[in-house]
Amino acid sequence: TQLLEQSPQFLSIQEGENLTVYCNSSSVFSSLQWYRQEPGEGPVLLVTVVTGGEVKKLKRLTFQFGDARKDSSLHITAAQPGDTGLYLCAGAPNSGYALNFGKGTSLLVTP
Amino acid sequence: NAGVTQTPKFQVLKTGQSMTLQCAQDMNHEYMSWYRQDPGMGLRLIHYSVGAGITDQGEVPNGYNVSRSTTEDFPLRLLSAAPSQTSVYFCASSYSTPSGGEQYFGPGTRLTVT
Repeated sequence: TQLLEQSPQFLSIQEGENLTVYCNSSSVFSSLQWYRQEPGEGPVLLVTVVTGGEVKKLKRLTFQFGDARKDSSLHITAAQPGDTGLYLCAGAPNSGYALNFGKGTSLLVTP
Repeated sequence: NAGVTQTPKFQVLKTGQSMTLQCAQDMNHEYMSWYRQDPGMGLRLIHYSVGAGITDQGEVPNGYNVSRSTTEDFPLRLLSAAPSQTSVYFCASSYSTPSGGEQYFGPGTRLTVT
């Protein structure tokens, strides 16, 4: 299993602040997915990044895939309480069926 | 579309009991998977299926059985429940392999084994 380390593990900020969460590995992935999970629900896909150096934007969320395809970051601008949740990254190996999930970053945005 | 549905939402079992967690999807996806989510452990793959009649083991298969008689349904059976199986279980489906595309997750089943 290729390990994905997510940091920070927990993050509590106030509405309007910016934040970045990280997803790092020593292994190369063919693609990387980011999911958000709200309490009592299953994860929901936010984005998939495929190309090294790729940057994707989803409203106030910016996702970047590292040049070497070993790491990724998620930046949220002007966080809102609706951004509260568990953010999971998941790496797709070059071969095989399964995704490797990180342990997640739990984000709390207070008004 | 209902997407991926799971029943029950909550379940409490005694050690040694057996039960089946139900999962169904109405998106005609070939690929279905079962995960467990434990605090500090992330999501771990239990079993998966690449189509009706075809199943295989994931990272943590011991103590669980699956079958896939139809495209829509993918039940997970606990043969003899143990406290170590206390967890939240998620079923997911996808149109391609999870490593190749978006997975759609169900709402989860929270299982406690006493």
